[in-house]
Amino acid sequence: QKEVEQDPGPLSVPEGAIVSLNCTYSNSAFQYFMWYRQYSRKGPELLMYTYSSGNKEDGRFTAQVDKSSKYISLFIRDSQPSDSATYLCAMSGVDSNSGYALNFGKGTSLLVTP
Amino acid sequence: DVKVTQSSRYLVKRTGEKVFLECVQDMDHENMFWYRQDPGLGLRLIYFSYDVKMKEKGDIPEGYSVSREKKERFSLILESASTNQTSMYLCASSYPGFYEQYFGPGTRLTVT
Repeated sequence: QKEVEQDPGPLSVPEGAIVSLNCTYSNSAFQYFMWYRQYSRKGPELLMYTYSSGNKEDGRFTAQVDKSSKYISLFIRDSQPSDSATYLCAMSGVDSNSGYALNFGKGTSLLVTP
Repeated sequence: DVKVTQSSRYLVKRTGEKVFLECVQDMDHENMFWYRQDPGLGLRLIYFSYDVKMKEKGDIPEGYSVSREKKERFSLILESASTNQTSMYLCASSYPGFYEQYFGPGTRLTVT
């Protein structure tokens, strides 16, 4: 079993919809959770960062972590065509074998249609 | 703002050539990383470095080496390029003790 699982999509939604992107993980040592956005042919850009369980909101974006279920989510409200990108989840923890290296999901491709 | 730059956006090399990919960051980060990204496989860690002249193997180090002579610069070397090394190469950096990594724009390498 991969340490981080993420549905690759593609996910297609109309403009203005609420988008839900998710990852599951197996390593209970993970405590640091990130979401990256990657536009086509560009490097990933850090979008959200959370520590341990709970919610974090930044504008139209909300990151949610449920450590008991080993499940993280990214919600995008009022989605815009400019949100069309691949979204990568990433995580790590002090006990993970690779130190400060991150464990990435494979990314979910999102298309927001006007 | 953190800035991570990579020497080339696109590179075409022939099989057997020695290839250097350069990465420079301007935020005095101690940690630097090299990944490759392939469709269906996601991001895979090749090598990382916690300090000057220090390196650690990642998940897929075979066929690659790295060099870190200065804190701001981390180079990835393909000693003898092969077609299966055709990929998008991404460099990242982070502060020590912090997990957030900042990525460069990537180098799309094609080996023919």
